[in-house]
Amino acid sequence: NAGVTQTPKFRVLKTGQSMTLLCAQDMNHEYMYWYRQDPGMGLRLIHYSVGEGTTAKGEVPDGYNVSRLKKQNFLLGLESAAPSQTSVYFCASRGFSGSSYEQYFGPGTRLTVT
Amino acid sequence: AQSVTQLGSHVSVSEGALVLLRCNYSSSVPPYLFWYVQYPNQGLQLLLKYTTGATLVKGINGFEAEFKKSETSFHLTKPSAHMSDAAEYFCAVSALPNDMRFGAGTRLTVKP
Repeated sequence: NAGVTQTPKFRVLKTGQSMTLLCAQDMNHEYMYWYRQDPGMGLRLIHYSVGEGTTAKGEVPDGYNVSRLKKQNFLLGLESAAPSQTSVYFCASRGFSGSSYEQYFGPGTRLTVT
Repeated sequence: AQSVTQLGSHVSVSEGALVLLRCNYSSSVPPYLFWYVQYPNQGLQLLLKYTTGATLVKGINGFEAEFKKSETSFHLTKPSAHMSDAAEYFCAVSALPNDMRFGAGTRLTVKP
């Protein structure tokens, strides 16, 4: 069981370039999430998905798009990267549960936009 | 709306000393509460969680936390710090299935 994996681990972009971050989970979880982590701000939710083919906006969605074509994968796209998007991005997932909203996190992707 | 405040962005303790990391939350409905730990260059790992029932929750690595509704607090403690406890700790609150809010984090340093 690999859990939640993220690709790539590191990336440097120039302003205006585009890229896609891939998140994969092998736990058959329904819910998947993308967060960004910035110093002194904790984690903030960008977008999430409650199932294959569905996505929704989180707290800080501007400048990002997502897709969930397969249950196990959740993609985060930056169409035109900006320096303000320099951050560490974490993907998380969780299954249906009647007693907890516990999320399982990937190792993160460190993105620098110059 | 829900939110989390972690008091103290940095906490430093000596090895063997008590660890106390403070977390206060705000929620309009009964929340679920979590503590996550993040080691350098890694993702977040669940330490413990409060959902319902017993208000004193025990987690991994000897950590525990107590849910105090009257004080809207969920402080994390460990009786004796170990060097391996050095990490960043995040408190989180979730009152809705897809709305987990994190605190800003507390970096714990353990001195030999």
